Amino acid sequence: EAGVAQSPRYKIIEKRQSVAFWCNPISGHATLYWYQQILGQGPKLLIQFQNNGVVDDSQLPKDRFSAERLKGVDSTLKIQPAKLEDSAVYLCASSWGGIDTQYFGPGTRLTVL
Amino acid sequence: AQSVTQPDIHITVSEGASLELRCNYSYGATPYLFWYVQSPGQGLQLLLKYFSGDTLVQGIKGFEAEFKRSQSSFNLRKPSVHWSDAAEYFCAVRGNTGANNLFFGTGTRLTVIP
Repeated sequence: EAGVAQSPRYKIIEKRQSVAFWCNPISGHATLYWYQQILGQGPKLLIQFQNNGVVDDSQLPKDRFSAERLKGVDSTLKIQPAKLEDSAVYLCASSWGGIDTQYFGPGTRLTVL
Repeated sequence: AQSVTQPDIHITVSEGASLELRCNYSYGATPYLFWYVQSPGQGLQLLLKYFSGDTLVQGIKGFEAEFKRSQSSFNLRKPSVHWSDAAEYFCAVRGNTGANNLFFGTGTRLTVIP
């Protein structure tokens, strides 16, 4: 069984630029999550989707971050414009349903200069 | 609100020695508890989880953890550490109602000395 796929693995941008990350969950998983992991900290949930609907985006900085999962499968997380403090690893995870074990992708490491 | 404390930022053990990583949680009811491991450049891999029942849970790679309600703890243990266990370990808690949000601790980095 293929795991959660993410791309790109690494991205370096300058502040005020835009960036997008892509995630393809495990086949059949209805729930998809985006986490932000700042160096030295544990992952923090940004947004949770159930199929193509948002379950929780209370921690998403909506003035600059956006995410979509239009067809209920893969998802895109965008930052526009990026700030220095957005430097982090962005992890995508998926699960069968809203209460099941989450499986994580390898993450995208973003560096904002 | 849920929260997790991992008091040890960095632990160093010799290969073959026993290991215990500490995790304390805060939650008003019986929580769902998890341990994940993250190797450099990798995503998080689930080691084990506790939902209910037997308070001693077995996981992959020879790890186990014990849920102690009286101490609000869920410590991870391994009787004999291998060099390949060097990684970052995260404890996480999720409430047993509502959304499936995981709240992670800050992690413990394990170094294994040959």
